[in-house]
Amino acid sequence: AQSVTQLDSHVSVSEGTPVLLRCNYSSSYSPSLFWYVQHPNKGLQLLLKYTSAATLVKGINGFEAEFKKSETSFHLTKPSAHMSDAAEYFCVVSLSGNTPLVFGKGTRLSVIA
Amino acid sequence: DGGITQSPKYLFRKEGQNVTLSCEQNLNHDAMYWYRQDPGQGLRLIYYSQIVNDFQKGDIAEGYSVSREKKESFPLTVTSAQKNPTAFYLCASSLTGTGDDGYTFGSGTRLTVV
Repeated sequence: AQSVTQLDSHVSVSEGTPVLLRCNYSSSYSPSLFWYVQHPNKGLQLLLKYTSAATLVKGINGFEAEFKKSETSFHLTKPSAHMSDAAEYFCVVSLSGNTPLVFGKGTRLSVIA
Repeated sequence: DGGITQSPKYLFRKEGQNVTLSCEQNLNHDAMYWYRQDPGQGLRLIYYSQIVNDFQKGDIAEGYSVSREKKESFPLTVTSAQKNPTAFYLCASSLTGTGDDGYTFGSGTRLTVV
């Protein structure tokens, strides 16, 4: 079975401090991994994706994620949080074969001024 | 610009009525998906289609129906059999059925039962 677990349902940081959103996955295959962001009442926007190339992936708006196979993790980081980063973030796994992506339950990021 | 369009943005339904949510894409994507989002529950897959004239049930298909007569369109009907239809509905598409390049999402339709 495959799954993706976002370890925190809510993370709160101060503006200008680092962001860490944690994601672990389980898979029998070499997965493709994604992070999406959703602002209130909006659709999801792709932040970044890992598809078996470089293990450190850079995305939009200063976010990056590192694929660690030994830890089955794909944590999302940003060096300095901005107020506009406040949103819901989803970690997503794609497995080989024609099966839909598997979504984590999301982490709500709050940024305090 | 290529993209995926959902309409309407807001929809109100009376008890016992069927309603249809529209989803159109001009990305030439093969696969399309419908998700339901409720607070604190993430995204739950309703139906998906990897090719025209074919679709599969997702995790919560009961009370919903879809069609895929054209590559560009994947409308979702919420039937009166859906007991709790009030939710935010998201449509997505991907280049292929594997989704290896990720999904492109529409901006969503918020359905409220009145």
